[in-house]
Order: sequence, then C-alpha cells, then structure tokens
Amino acid sequence: KAGVTQTPRYLIKTRGQQVTLSCSPISGHRSVSWYQQTPGQGLQFLFEYFSETQRNKGNFPGRFSGRQFSNSRSEMNVSTLELGDSALYLCASSLAIRRTGGNNEQFFGPGTRLTVL
Amino acid sequence: KQEVTQIPAALSVPEGENLVLNCSFTDSAIYNLQWFRQDPGKGLTSLLLIQSSQREQTSGRLNASLDKSSGRSTLYIAASQPGDSATYLCAVRGGSYIPTFGRGTSLIVHP
Repeated sequence: KAGVTQTPRYLIKTRGQQVTLSCSPISGHRSVSWYQQTPGQGLQFLFEYFSETQRNKGNFPGRFSGRQFSNSRSEMNVSTLELGDSALYLCASSLAIRRTGGNNEQFFGPGTRLTVL
Repeated sequence: KQEVTQIPAALSVPEGENLVLNCSFTDSAIYNLQWFRQDPGKGLTSLLLIQSSQREQTSGRLNASLDKSSGRSTLYIAASQPGDSATYLCAVRGGSYIPTFGRGTSLIVHP
C-alpha cells in the first residue's frame, strides 16, 4: 500500500508570491491534515479536511488555505508569502471515520520544504 | 489550551540501554495520544497510538503507557540500537480534536 505522497518536495519562492502544495493520502483514507514545522515553533496544526469539508482549523492567518477533492487528494495554498513562512509543510492522512478508535492513527508524508527569499 | 511537554529535550546513550521518554499534557480530556519518530529533514513515522480508554500499547521493542489522570505518557525503548537515533514526538488529540505536539526528544544511540 503506497504511503502519503507530497509534491513538490522542495520549493523556493520570493516574498509576495503564492504557492500551492499537494498531498495524496493513503488509499481509502478520507481525512487529510496539514502541519507547519519550524525550528522556532515546532509542529503546528494548520487544518484538517474530511470528505471535502474543512473539519478543523488551527491558528493561522487567512493567507493559508486548503481544499480537498472528491478523491481525497488535498492542496494547500499560501498567498503573499512572507519570510516567516519558510518551513517544512507536512501532510498526514487517516481513516478518521469517528473521533474514537484506531482509525484516527495519522500517517505522515515526507513533507515539502518551502524556502521564502 | 492544551500544552504538551517532552522531557528530556535531548538524550545520548550507549547501545543496549533501556530508555524512557516522557510526555506530559495539561488537559486530561483527550481522545488519544500518538508517538512518532522523525529522522532529520524527513516526515514523521507513526510508532504507537493509545486511545484514551487504554493504558498501554506495545510494538516490538517499544511500549507506550498512558496515565490520563496525571497527564502523562511514557515511551519505553528496550535494548536501544544506533538505528533508534531520531527525534521522538508525542501528539495529544484533545477536546477540540486538534492535535497538539510536544517539541520532541532528540535521541542519539552510539555504538
């Protein structure tokens, strides 16, 4: 069974530009979550999508947005990039049918390393 | 607001030692707690998931326990090996269902 895949793996952008990152979950998984990881703040939750609906949202500005398609693939978009957006962006998928039970185990992709110059 | 603390922040041990990594959280109303390892520059690998109703989970040389009342979880690694060198993270999924991660324990096992 293929794991979570993320594209691209590395990205260099300049301030003010926008960027779109893509995540393909494990086959059969309906929940996709996005995280930002930086040395200063650690791992922080961005948002979670389940069956094309945003189910949870972390404490990030509106420049960060996402969506999920009918095949469960997800994209996140960051507009008007700032230097502080440089980070490893991680995507995780899970079955997540109910809030309890083993189906909530999260499986992570390798991440997209974004550098903003 | 849920806060998750991992102690120690770093650990260096000789091969063969048994290890205990700690994870504490401030709000005991949780759905589950998950342990991960992360190799430098890579994504996270799931190790163990403990539901709020469970006390422990085991996988190979790893054993994780959960004590909700005291807001603590421990990850026990038996007979450590150099390949266990990585950063170990715990994530607590609380009432908001949003996972909160600790800052991790950086482990080095030297031959």
